[in-house]
This record gives sequence, structure tokens and C-alpha cells, in this order.
Amino acid sequence: QKEVEQDPGPLSVPEGAIVSLNCTYSNSAFQYFMWYRQYSRKGPELLMYTYSSGNKEDGRFTAQVDKSSKYISLFIRDSQPSDSATYLCAMGAGGFKTIFGAGTRLFVKA
Amino acid sequence: GAVVSQHPSRVICKSGTSVKIECRSLDFQATTMFWYRQFPKQSLMLMATSNEGSKATYEQGVEKDKFLINHASLTLSTLTVTSAHPEDSSFYICSARQTGIDQETQYFGPGTRLLVL
Repeated sequence: QKEVEQDPGPLSVPEGAIVSLNCTYSNSAFQYFMWYRQYSRKGPELLMYTYSSGNKEDGRFTAQVDKSSKYISLFIRDSQPSDSATYLCAMGAGGFKTIFGAGTRLFVKA
Repeated sequence: GAVVSQHPSRVICKSGTSVKIECRSLDFQATTMFWYRQFPKQSLMLMATSNEGSKATYEQGVEKDKFLINHASLTLSTLTVTSAHPEDSSFYICSARQTGIDQETQYFGPGTRLLVL
């Protein structure tokens, strides 16, 4: 079993839709959780950082962490074609190296 | 946000030559930097962890004599691909862990595309 599971997609949605991206994990020691966005042929860009459980909102993006279920989500409201990219979840804890998901490819159609 | 640069962004070289890639944290100090490799449509593969002032820690299966890493300062790490071969062609990405404020966040460089002919 992988430490982090993420559906690679692709996920295709119409412009304006609400997008839900998810990851599950197995290591209960993970304490911090991140979402990165990677455009083709570019380095990943940090979108959201969350420590422990709860929600965090930043503009059209909302990150949720449910440690009891070992499940994290990223929601994108009013999705735009410019949101088309690969989204990677990442997580870790002090003393552990950061583990990345495989990434979900998202296509937002105009 | 924190900025990490990489140079060069693209490089084409002949088989058997060595290529050096630089990774710099521009506005913060990083005692730890990471080097990743990424094949098309695949996720990041961690190659090694670069620690300032000490030897790098390589992941299983990564040849340390082929991928030389030097982390001489808190803002610079270099990856040298020695005696490059066509199978080394890939997208190499570095990241830097911000020290102090948020130790667990990695900021990535824009990547270096290597093509070995």
C-alpha cells in the first residue's frame, strides 16, 4: 500500500464547475499537508499549506484535512481554464520526508 | 512567497559529457534542498536530499557517483550529471525547504529539462 494515494485522472470539468481533488494516506503521523499546482513543463507551485486538521480557504481554493479518516481535499470554486494543470498533494511530519501523491490532471473546458 | 531559481532551464548535451544544474533560494536560506526527477506525465521522484555543509542523502537506486550533489551554501545546491547518457534525459526539479518560519514547506524551482543526444 502506498503511503499516499491520489487518483491520477484525468478529470475534465466545464468552466465554472466546483472541482474536488482528494488524497488518502496511511501514516497517522503526518501533521502537515500541502497542495501544489504544476503546469506542463514547470516546477510545482505551492497552493495551500495546512497544519493538522481543519479547513483553510484562500480565494477560490479551500483545503480540508480530516485526520480521523486520513483524507484530504482541495476544492476549486468557479473553475477557470487557467486552472488546468496537475495538482499534487503532499504531506509529512517533523523528522519525516515529505511524501507526494502521484498528481491529478485537471482539464477545465471553456 | 519564497522563490527558488534553477539554471539552466534547458540543456542539450552530447553523450558522455557532464552537466551541472544550479538551484538557488533567492529570498530565504535553506539548509535542506531536494532534487527530483520527473518523466512525462509522471509524478516527482525524489533523487536525493542535499544538506548544507554535509553529504547528500541519496534515495535507493540513485547512483551517487553519477549524480553529484554539492550544497556549499545556504542558498545554493548543485546537481552534476556525470557522463550523461540518453537515458538520463529528463526533467530535473529542485526544491528548498524554508528554514525557520515554516520548516516543513518545500518551494520548487522551475525545473531543468535535460536532453542527452
